[in-house]
Amino acid sequence: EIVLTQSPDFQSVTPKENVTISCRASQSIGTSLHWYQQKPDQSPNLLIKFASQSIPGVPSRFSGSGSGTDFTLTINSLEAEDAAAYYCHQSYNVPFTFGPGTKVEIK
Amino acid sequence: EVQLVQSGAEVKKPGESLKISCRGSGYNFASYWTGWVRQVPGNGLEWLGTIYPADSDTVYSPSFQGQVTISVDKSISTAYLQWSSLKASDTAIYYCARRYTKYSPIDFWGQGTLVTVSS
Repeated sequence: EIVLTQSPDFQSVTPKENVTISCRASQSIGTSLHWYQQKPDQSPNLLIKFASQSIPGVPSRFSGSGSGTDFTLTINSLEAEDAAAYYCHQSYNVPFTFGPGTKVEIK
Repeated sequence: EVQLVQSGAEVKKPGESLKISCRGSGYNFASYWTGWVRQVPGNGLEWLGTIYPADSDTVYSPSFQGQVTISVDKSISTAYLQWSSLKASDTAIYYCARRYTKYSPIDFWGQGTLVTVSS
């Protein structure tokens, strides 16, 4: 099973700051890594697919990078509505797995 | 408009059986993989398994193989998640979710079904 680890677990950020969330895979997964945002009491929402591909309707301040085992989600100029948990997810191998999540709080 | 509409919240006792559902609309249901993801409130996401409605090909996470059954009725565009004997540790929110191919990202999620198992 491919294990995904995320850092940090929690981040408290002021609006307009930039946020960087890391996701590391226990083995190489190419670019089969996707990012989700989950706001309280909502279903997750796809932000970035295949490491760096943007999703229609997702604000351009969200971007992704990486390949192999190391991936990054960047939120440029954070807005208050970005308060949420962020999860990485690999679809390279079954069983598909998720990272433990990073909670972003707005100061 | 794509929709995945799940059945309502359930409260069950340990040892009871349960089947929850997820109905897809607004797209060709049979051509997308439909899977299930668990979230214990306040915790992270766990992938249980997925099914391809066109031929009922099913893949399970080893952690959930034998613990749950995933099935589908493509004639009514509905996927199911079933337990034969619930445990308190099954208490969680269960999301259905679709993928275009087996190895695609999940691109759409249902609203979630809260299952509470308590004596």
